[in-house]
Amino acid sequence: KNEVEQSPQNLTAQEGEFITINCSYSVGISALHWLQQHPGGGIVSLFMLSSGKKKHGRLIATINIQEKHSSLHITASHPRDSAVYICAVRGVTSGSARQLTFGSGTQLTVLP
Amino acid sequence: DSGVTQTPKHLITATGQRVTLRCSPRSGDLSVYWYQQSLDQGLQFLIQYYNGEERAKGNILERFSAQQFPDLHSELNLSSLELGDSALYFCASSVSGGSTDTQYFGPGTRLTVL
Repeated sequence: KNEVEQSPQNLTAQEGEFITINCSYSVGISALHWLQQHPGGGIVSLFMLSSGKKKHGRLIATINIQEKHSSLHITASHPRDSAVYICAVRGVTSGSARQLTFGSGTQLTVLP
Repeated sequence: DSGVTQTPKHLITATGQRVTLRCSPRSGDLSVYWYQQSLDQGLQFLIQYYNGEERAKGNILERFSAQQFPDLHSELNLSSLELGDSALYFCASSVSGGSTDTQYFGPGTRLTVL
């Protein structure tokens, strides 16, 4: 079982729809990151969370530490939101376990 | 633009060869991370440096090595290349390398081993 599980793997939406991507993890973490990978391959850090909720523009990220679960929401989705969204967690134990462990990503396609 | 630069963008080479990937972190960032993204394994952490010293090691093969120089740029050396080493290699940087740092990713180097 992977330490970080994302769902769904693929998501197709119509422009304007509200989108939710989920991430579950099985280890204790110090932080959870949401990343966006563009079709060209570049990776952008969207959020880093250790508790609660963060909002940036049309993007909202939440985390529930007790349930080991995070969600990324996109309101009023747009075709330019089409990308792979990756959840990554940073562990609390020492050494390599404190580094980022990545989910397999969610491929989002927003149709006009 | 994250401020992290990586060269080259693309690299095509043959099995058994050795290559060097270069990364320059954002101005002021002391920590550099290397990641490998392959089709079958996804993104994986390879190694982290902080101010010239190795801080953590992940799934890095013995054929791979890295270093961070006094000017804080970093190089990832891949030797005795195999077909399975074909992947996107990302460098990221952060201010201090702490667990709550935001990491800024470079554009990546796409390595193709033929």
